[in-house]
Amino acid sequence: KQEVTQIPAALSVPEGENLVLNCSFTDSAIYNLQWFRQDPGKGLTSLLLIQSSQREQTSGRLNASLDKSSGRSTLYIAASQPGDSATYLCAVRNRDDKIIFGKGTRLHILP
Amino acid sequence: GEEVAQTPKHLVRGEGQKAKLYCAPIKGHSYVFWYQQVLKNEFKFLISFQNENVFDETGMPKERFSAKCLPNSPCSLEIQATKLEDSAVYFCASSRRAKQETQYFGPGTRLLVL
Repeated sequence: KQEVTQIPAALSVPEGENLVLNCSFTDSAIYNLQWFRQDPGKGLTSLLLIQSSQREQTSGRLNASLDKSSGRSTLYIAASQPGDSATYLCAVRNRDDKIIFGKGTRLHILP
Repeated sequence: GEEVAQTPKHLVRGEGQKAKLYCAPIKGHSYVFWYQQVLKNEFKFLISFQNENVFDETGMPKERFSAKCLPNSPCSLEIQATKLEDSAVYFCASSRRAKQETQYFGPGTRLLVL
């Protein structure tokens, strides 16, 4: 059974710092891995989607990596801003098409 | 439309009442997914559709929950005889294809069962 773990559960960093969020999964037989952002009381915004054959994806200040064999992904946020404060969720799509979410990392950027 | 639309935004029901939630996927998207977020970050897959056909319903509770996606109508998720533990945010997502495609999420419907 696929399990997705996100560490840390919560993180506070001063504005301007670079930071890394971690995601690990137990079953490497995945189609893809996706990072989402969820603002309080809102839905999910897709940030980056990495296919199983890819190693990383970049969008602006965000970079996501995938090491399928070790069951790990990281989301790197450069030059953090207060507007980056949100919950970041990692989700893997299994070969049976099910999407399994981690519990998220609550990020707070201190002005 | 360009966004997944969900209605209503909020729904309050007394225990035992019926609840019906609606989702309009992005135009051109063939797949629709329903998720339940009970605690803050506990997402649970419920059911998916390929057009009007059930694609995967392994996450659906066997009793009380049903869902439909009919042509030219919003998809719906219905809960008969709601229970307190059904209180959650229900998210709908759509994608062009099931595999290897980004799912786009709606804003969710917050269901409160009293």
